[in-house]
Amino acid sequence: DAGVTQSPTHLIKTRGQQVTLRCSPKSGHDTVSWYQQALGQGPQFIFQYYEEEERQRGNFPDRFSGHQFPNYSSELNVNALLLGDSALYLCASSLRRGTSSGNTIYFGEGSWLTVV
Amino acid sequence: KNEVEQSPQNLTAQEGEFITINCSYSVGISALHWLQQHPGGGIVSLFMLSSGKKKHGRLIATINIQEKHSSLHITASHPRDSAVYICAVRSEYGGSQGNLIFGKGTKLSVKP
Repeated sequence: DAGVTQSPTHLIKTRGQQVTLRCSPKSGHDTVSWYQQALGQGPQFIFQYYEEEERQRGNFPDRFSGHQFPNYSSELNVNALLLGDSALYLCASSLRRGTSSGNTIYFGEGSWLTVV
Repeated sequence: KNEVEQSPQNLTAQEGEFITINCSYSVGISALHWLQQHPGGGIVSLFMLSSGKKKHGRLIATINIQEKHSSLHITASHPRDSAVYICAVRSEYGGSQGNLIFGKGTKLSVKP
């Protein structure tokens, strides 16, 4: 049973470009959350997707957008990249449907984005 | 002030020592997670707590909801325990799927 998989693992982009990061949740999970982790900091919540809709959003500009597909996989898109967008982007999956309380969350290995 | 504070930020221990990492939070929560992050970046969930105490192998996690405080203990520490340990709380306002609010992490280094 594969856990959460993310791609690509590393990438380098130039200021102003656009990037798409991908995430496949753990088998059976229906909720995907994205986090940004700058060097030396804890992760910061970007947004969460469930049933192909953005359900919650953190304090990130509209340059950050996402999508969830019918198979629960998700994409994170960042437009007009800034140097400050350089970070580790983490995807986490969990199961929402049928649960009345929180459950274990699983993280991917992350995508390291460097903007030059 | 961050909503989730961890201490210490850095911790160096000798193999075999008992280790405690502390986490204090200032928001209402529905659950608290202890996570382990290795240098490659991937995060592993160690515990999810909403009350009391949990134990898994050499790891013990406790939470005091009234005091808004949690501790992670490692007994008989080993060099393979070296990692960053992160405390994260799930905001009560988001329900069971509320987003996680993370501490900055505690970098643990266990020397042989």
